[in-house]
Amino acid sequence: GAVVSQHPSWVICKSGTSVKIECRSLDFQATTMFWYRQFPKQSLMLMATSNEGSKATYEQGVEKDKFLINHASLTLSTLTVTSAHPEDSSFYICSASGPSTLDEQFFGPGTRLTVL
Amino acid sequence: GQNIDQPTEMTATEGAIVQINCTYQTSGFNGLFWYQQHAGEAPTFLSYNVLDGLEEKGRFSSFLSRSKGYSYLLLKELQMKDSASYLCAAPRFGNEKLTFGTGTRLTIIP
Repeated sequence: GAVVSQHPSWVICKSGTSVKIECRSLDFQATTMFWYRQFPKQSLMLMATSNEGSKATYEQGVEKDKFLINHASLTLSTLTVTSAHPEDSSFYICSASGPSTLDEQFFGPGTRLTVL
Repeated sequence: GQNIDQPTEMTATEGAIVQINCTYQTSGFNGLFWYQQHAGEAPTFLSYNVLDGLEEKGRFSSFLSRSKGYSYLLLKELQMKDSASYLCAAPRFGNEKLTFGTGTRLTIIP
């Protein structure tokens, strides 16, 4: 099956710093990647959708200048949380889909971000 | 818009059967997904229903009624490892963005 990886799997940072999370499709070309955020005991909330080579589309209420998304290649998308604050502490999950997956989304293992 | 409702928590006994319900209201219909998510892990795909009826896959089955906006996930012969959250999700009509329900936290007791 299609495999998606994320790096790092967890990160702890100080308030005010920026954190970059990578999402890679290992064995398929991901024309579309999705970024989700999940707070404890809550469901996944879609933050943004990115298509390779174009600007990401952000969901209502998600600050695009705070959550920078780059999808420069068919196998890599990055999410940068800029000037992170404790309220940004969450579980960030990416998913990817492409022509070979028949548009089914495959999820990465997630990145747990803790901002002190 | 999309609205998906699931019970927040359920408890069931090892070896028993449990049914997790999901009701949805969507603008257009493009199928319904069920995912399993263990704590601290990413969701894993369980099923996708686009036609009415029951689809069986081993111990797990999923049912859909489009006219009623209703689906359920049926888990048989419950095992302790089935303790997890079960997420109902619907693609938005016309694209592949998924809207997730709140998830149902299922606890299996011996």
